Amino acid sequence: DQQVKQNSPSLSVQEGRISILNCDYTNSMFDYFLWYKKYPAEGPTFLISISSIKDKNEDGRFTVFLNKSAKHLSLHIVPSQPGDSAVYFCAASALLQTGANNLFFGTGTRLTVIP
Amino acid sequence: SQTIHQWPATLVQPVGSPLSLECTVEGTSNPNLYWYRQAAGRGLQLLFYSVGIGQISSEVPQNLSASRPQDRQFILSSKKLLLSDSGFYLCAWSGASGISYEQYFGPGTRLTVT
Repeated sequence: DQQVKQNSPSLSVQEGRISILNCDYTNSMFDYFLWYKKYPAEGPTFLISISSIKDKNEDGRFTVFLNKSAKHLSLHIVPSQPGDSAVYFCAASALLQTGANNLFFGTGTRLTVIP
Repeated sequence: SQTIHQWPATLVQPVGSPLSLECTVEGTSNPNLYWYRQAAGRGLQLLFYSVGIGQISSEVPQNLSASRPQDRQFILSSKKLLLSDSGFYLCAWSGASGISYEQYFGPGTRLTVT
């Protein structure tokens, strides 16, 4: 049962435009959300995160928005650059015990930024 | 700075053979350590986690086991591999001071069981 879903397997955007990647989750107990970026043959690289008590977090060109009532989050990249081309994973965190947590991942969205 | 190493990068093993994947972390003490697997067409799934030496918790029943013989070493093992053990295995760490949500991943091991 996939608790975190990324319904768009791929997205193509022109360089300089905005990229919007979407993610939906089903478990209201998730308390923290993260976005990871992955290149082929590498592990995921942490990009940006947001606590469930916030609705927006911004870091440079990257902004994550959280809509708890809709159980939806999105990652905005502005402006998009060719180097942003990668697979982006959404993840939701559930605490296991003090200090440890389980990350539930979506299946990823492949972003291609066209020069 | 912290770094995480995994080896080997790729592995092809016959059904019934043993498995040992190793993960080590540098630049941090007493990290939480995790093993995840990504099967074909699916998201990452947590297999094991450890909050300290010798402390292992399993999230899903399976043919695999994990051990943490040293603070920054995490090993994934199997006595007899199954075809269904094929996948991409990732080790991750997170800080142990307080609650740390961000996990940092190693480069992964692509395991093919034939």
